[in-house]
Amino acid sequence: GAVVSQHPSWVICKSGTSVKIECRSLDFQATTMFWYRQFPKQSLMLMATSNEGSKATYEQGVEKDKFLINHASLTLSTLTVTSAHPEDSSFYICSAGGTGTLSNQPQHFGDGTRLSIL
Amino acid sequence: EDQVTQSPEALRLQEGESSSLNCSYTVSGLRGLFWYRQDPGKGPEFLFTLYSAGEEKEKERLKATLTKKESFLHITAPKPEDSATYLCAVSVDSGYSTLTFGKGTMLLVSP
Repeated sequence: GAVVSQHPSWVICKSGTSVKIECRSLDFQATTMFWYRQFPKQSLMLMATSNEGSKATYEQGVEKDKFLINHASLTLSTLTVTSAHPEDSSFYICSAGGTGTLSNQPQHFGDGTRLSIL
Repeated sequence: EDQVTQSPEALRLQEGESSSLNCSYTVSGLRGLFWYRQDPGKGPEFLFTLYSAGEEKEKERLKATLTKKESFLHITAPKPEDSATYLCAVSVDSGYSTLTFGKGTMLLVSP
C-alpha cells in the first residue's frame, strides 16, 4: 500500500520557537496533501488542504499565518508552526491520496508528529 | 452539516468474544465511507472503503458493512492485537475528497 512518511515524530521546544514538520509520499505523486490535528481522545480535525504549486486551503478557524504550509513538490509538503505556544501542543498528522488521479484511492496517513511546547 | 457518530466510545472484550462497532452518518451525497485503525501515537491505518448500501468488505477477523444511514465493523473472535481505536470517516461529493471523522471507538481485547 501507499506509504506516507512524516518527520520528526516528536518535538519538544520552548515557547516562541517555530517548528517545521515534513510529510513525504514515498511511492506516489501527490498533488494534494492534508494536514490534521488531533487532541487526546479526540478525532482528527482537518486543518488545511495542501496544494502543490499553489496556496493551501485552510479550514475555518485555522490561522494561516500561524500554520504555514508549503507544497513545493509532488512528494513533499511542510507545515511550519510559527512562534509556537503551549496551546499549539498537539498531535499533527498528514495524509495523501484520495484526490485527483488518486481519487479512487483512500487517504493514507503518516505516523504523526507529537509537538510539545514548554 | 456532515456528521459522523461512532458508538460505543469504548468497548472491552474478552479474547474470542465477537462484537460490532457502529458508525452512523448524516451527509449530503456520500462518496465513500472509510474505516481506519489507529494505534496509540501512530497515524490511522487504512482498513476498508465502502461506496454503496449493501456493500461488504472483509479482512481477517474484520468485516465492514454499509447501509444508507450507518456502517458496522464486525469483529469476529478478536485477539489482543486487535486492540486499537477504530475510526470511521466519510467523504462527500465535492471538489476535494476531504474526510470527516467520527470520534472513534477504543477497543480493548483482554487475553
